[in-house]
Amino acid sequence: DAGITQSPRHKVTETGTPVTLRCHQTENHRYMYWYRQDPGHGLRLIHYSYGVKDTDKGEVSDGYSVSRSKTEDFLLTLESATSSQTSVYFCAISVGSNQETQYFGPGTRLLVL
Amino acid sequence: SQQGEEDPQALSIQEGENATMNCSYKTSINNLQWYRQNSGRGLVHLILIRSNEREKHSGRLRVTLDTSKKSSSLLITASRAADTASYFCATDEGSQGAQKLVFGQGTRLTINP
Repeated sequence: DAGITQSPRHKVTETGTPVTLRCHQTENHRYMYWYRQDPGHGLRLIHYSYGVKDTDKGEVSDGYSVSRSKTEDFLLTLESATSSQTSVYFCAISVGSNQETQYFGPGTRLLVL
Repeated sequence: SQQGEEDPQALSIQEGENATMNCSYKTSINNLQWYRQNSGRGLVHLILIRSNEREKHSGRLRVTLDTSKKSSSLLITASRAADTASYFCATDEGSQGAQKLVFGQGTRLTINP
């Protein structure tokens, strides 16, 4: 068990408010990822990190920022939430001898009203 | 944009039958992976096939890859009720380092008792 937790697991917020989602891992994995999952779109990569303070954009990064000040925590921030950011958000880490597969957290359901 | 297109979008079969789902992709890949997602949960890695492999087995799973047609198939033999889930293919185009997986939209598999 790679040990990923996400918090909160559910959140309801209003348009225009800032929201921060947290991903926490316990085994010093280097690579961490944030995805969103929407009906009809599968999973899409938002941002990823390849080390402390090292992050980069994914396919759907507009409206999101990330931070990784410690190996174990990868934060996703919606600076000003919009209804189009209503989604399920998954954190993942690279695992395996070649870091080729990903292990996913349980997800955070976010509703922006 | 989505790399993978999965077919069918939904599949319903009787317990004990075989289930086949297909994935097509657009660009050159290093490997292709299949993941399972039970309702309300995170994704779980099932199997990885590299671009130089044509077929791979893992238990009741058989994956094929045809790079000339840019397609893959996942066969689940002797299906069980516990196989009810959504199945996603994901392609890894990148080089070493962080994986920027691109997921298909998924096939929703229902196994009827």
